[in-house]
Amino acid sequence: DSGVTQTPKHLITATGQRVTLRCSPRSGDLSVYWYQQSLDQGLQFLIQYYNGEERAKGNILERFSAQQFPDLHSELNLSSLELGDSALYFCASSLAGQGETEAFFGQGTRLTVV
Amino acid sequence: GENVEQHPSTLSVQEGDSAVIKCTYSDSASNYFPWYKQELGKGPQLIIDIRSNVGEKKDQRIAVTLNKTAKHFSLHITETQPEDSAVYFCAAIPGGSYIPTFGRGTSLIVHP
Repeated sequence: DSGVTQTPKHLITATGQRVTLRCSPRSGDLSVYWYQQSLDQGLQFLIQYYNGEERAKGNILERFSAQQFPDLHSELNLSSLELGDSALYFCASSLAGQGETEAFFGQGTRLTVV
Repeated sequence: GENVEQHPSTLSVQEGDSAVIKCTYSDSASNYFPWYKQELGKGPQLIIDIRSNVGEKKDQRIAVTLNKTAKHFSLHITETQPEDSAVYFCAAIPGGSYIPTFGRGTSLIVHP
């Protein structure tokens, strides 16, 4: 168990809908990262938050947004969903804000858009 | 931006054999190179990492080597066991930031 909790584990929704994925980082970790994993694109970095502030942005679509709350949990919001958004979404957390520290991954949320 | 190539995509070995997975990167600013193991239904787990000021690092049956001049790094697993079967990802991260670029993954299958 990495200590990172993601909910829900599975999500099935229709095209055009909006969903929210939730992540609770390990106790004491200030950084949260979101990744998308699909068969054709591999593991793609989406966005990072550090202590409530956006720190780095990767390949995140404009239809997607995220935030980190004062209690350090984070939510990833996906809107106007398309079939191609079906993927595994991972959250990871680390103590520091820089990349040269170990990041611990949650078990992921499997999103299926039908 | 950074580009990480990982080979092979699939590696099948017999229990007890060694396994080697290779990655190349393009951005000379990358200076942190973690390796992750992902088992079925789980998130990636860091198994070993190396920083640019080190050429080799070992942890029991696992070792990683880095050649900064050639911009490539490799994962070596000796005395493989069936529980080593998983997908392995390499990544490269530039110094002072956190935008990791991952390889496409290697599916390692260890036959008993």
